[in-house]
Amino acid sequence: DTAVSQTPKYLVTQMGNDKSIKCEQNLGHDTMYWYKQDSKKFLKIMFSYNNKELIINETVPNRFSPKSPDKAHLNLHINSLELGDSAVYFCASSLLATVAYEQYFGPGTRLTVT
Amino acid sequence: TQLLEQSPQFLSIQEGENLTVYCNSSSVFSSLQWYRQEPGEGPVLLVTVVTGGEVKKLKRLTFQFGDARKDSSLHITAAQPGDTGLYLCAGFSGSARQLTFGSGTQLTVLP
Repeated sequence: DTAVSQTPKYLVTQMGNDKSIKCEQNLGHDTMYWYKQDSKKFLKIMFSYNNKELIINETVPNRFSPKSPDKAHLNLHINSLELGDSAVYFCASSLLATVAYEQYFGPGTRLTVT
Repeated sequence: TQLLEQSPQFLSIQEGENLTVYCNSSSVFSSLQWYRQEPGEGPVLLVTVVTGGEVKKLKRLTFQFGDARKDSSLHITAAQPGDTGLYLCAGFSGSARQLTFGSGTQLTVLP
């Protein structure tokens, strides 16, 4: 019974392509996130959705477009992929009503752009 | 921009030794969380500390939140190889409604 799942686990693609990553949570949480972890393991938030509404949109190129069809799903579409987009992307979820937005992470998607 | 600096960045010790990881900021946080991440997996929440000066124990792990809520520490007693992983602190700011993650400490415990 997976809590937060992401697909695919690995994604290898060429520069200029468009790709999507999907995320689903079955924890009943109302908020979902996309994080990017770089080669130095630094974890940085990209987007956050609460009940399908965008609430955090950090400085991210507009080639990245999140979509939340319902509060259990958050997808990330990336257009015109660049070498610098290579990283591990994590989806996470939390309950806004908790004290500290404790995050539950998916297993990550390792994106390699060649 | 709120920043969280962790030290040390890398730590390699023998099984049975004790260690402390530090998480420091110039900003005040409403609460602070610690996560552990293993290779190929996402971070997993270990603990949340909310009150300045709070100490929480989780078996051999002791977490402390600074009195001023700007820093935290994680102490591991008698480390085991299973403790190996990337330890991340994360500060929560109610005004920003998001977590700010620290720079990470990569711990390796050798058998």
